[in-house]
Amino acid sequence: GQNIDQPTEMTATEGAIVQINCTYQTSGFNGLFWYQQHAGEAPTFLSYNVLDGLEEKGRFSSFLSRSKGYSYLLLKELQMKDSASYLCALYNFNKFYFGSGTKLNVKP
Amino acid sequence: DTAVSQTPKYLVTQMGNDKSIKCEQNLGHDTMYWYKQDSKKFLKIMFSYNNKELIINETVPNRFSPKSPDKAHLNLHINSLELGDSAVYFCASSQATADESEKLFFGSGTQLSVL
Repeated sequence: GQNIDQPTEMTATEGAIVQINCTYQTSGFNGLFWYQQHAGEAPTFLSYNVLDGLEEKGRFSSFLSRSKGYSYLLLKELQMKDSASYLCALYNFNKFYFGSGTKLNVKP
Repeated sequence: DTAVSQTPKYLVTQMGNDKSIKCEQNLGHDTMYWYKQDSKKFLKIMFSYNNKELIINETVPNRFSPKSPDKAHLNLHINSLELGDSAVYFCASSQATADESEKLFFGSGTQLSVL
């Protein structure tokens, strides 16, 4: 397996910055994805990393270090609507391997 | 104009029954999937089809039988339902290329409750 680990739950304040980490153990993969899932809804795509480094998309950024087996999702200027679960997923040969997700609670 | 649509959204049934979940995508994608999300929110792949051909079967019990009549449809039939089958089942599709467009588009999910 890919042994993908994420913190179970995090809490942050509206307007702040939060970093959600994802560590994994695998010999290789094509790319790393981050998905957002609101309670009772389907996951939706947030970001994608294939090379090491930072990918920025508006308030969301994702970082990948293949040598360290590590990725993070950075959320800036947090809004209440960002309260959701964030899923890290590795993609390899038509398979997505998901972590168990990090539930983010944004408080006023 | 929903991209990936699955029905029903909720399914409550007795143990031992047989039920089906339907999925359709209008994105023109070649690959479709079934995922199971358990109570701990862990998403696990069950099946993947590419152009109607089964390419991934992740040690799912034989009671689960996917069927893909064409590349836009992937249905899931479950025989002899068990309590442990209770979960949310997500259909998804993707275009299998070596870039961001590999991303999955999910249906809204089917919450299956076996009593």
